[in-house]
Amino acid sequence: GDSVTQMEGPVTLSEEAFLTINCTYTATGYPSLFWYVQYPGEGLQLLLKATKADDKGSNKGFEATYRKETTSFHLEKGSVQVSDSAVYFCARGTMTTDSWGKLQFGAGTQVVVTP
Amino acid sequence: GAVVSQHPSWVICKSGTSVKIECRSLDFQATTMFWYRQFPKQSLMLMATSNEGSKATYEQGVEKDKFLINHASLTLSTLTVTSAHPEDSSFYICSARERGHWVGGQPQHFGDGTRLSIL
Repeated sequence: GDSVTQMEGPVTLSEEAFLTINCTYTATGYPSLFWYVQYPGEGLQLLLKATKADDKGSNKGFEATYRKETTSFHLEKGSVQVSDSAVYFCARGTMTTDSWGKLQFGAGTQVVVTP
Repeated sequence: GAVVSQHPSWVICKSGTSVKIECRSLDFQATTMFWYRQFPKQSLMLMATSNEGSKATYEQGVEKDKFLINHASLTLSTLTVTSAHPEDSSFYICSARERGHWVGGQPQHFGDGTRLSIL
């Protein structure tokens, strides 16, 4: 069935380093794609989204481009801060009439940024 | 905008009691709300989809008599864990989708979660 696969963590890097978290999906059609972030003890916050091929979502220095040809939606940030330490979830939306707009999540990638 | 409030944030109770968790959309109307369960260091597992004015749709393997969901208004859904036992201890998160938005492109807005501990 359809799935979302993201790289395993934890990813540990120094402040100001470049961050990439890979995410690939399988799906029929062209689902909307999302990145959510979860800080310790909290719910999820939408980080960015893209609804069609070649769309680029961006927010707070993070970017991800919807790549239809590689079925990917990799998250990138050029210079991370300690405050970016969190768990990041890649997700795809569903569009079938019986799915009510459900989200399918990847396993999550923990990012740890050290000073 | 698009704030979802979940209450309580943390609850500890004895085995056998029932616990109710509320999920409210504060500044928008939500025809659909979702309930998730998250185990430590794991992803979110969808438990059920709650639609205003109708019965919830449960995912395979989720006991509907154990996890009662009520979505009585466009801004409130509740999850009641009945006769809770230690194995029900978990982090429960709700989310809501705004009314009238395209299903595929509209993100879900999440509450801050409820940590349930059953002794």
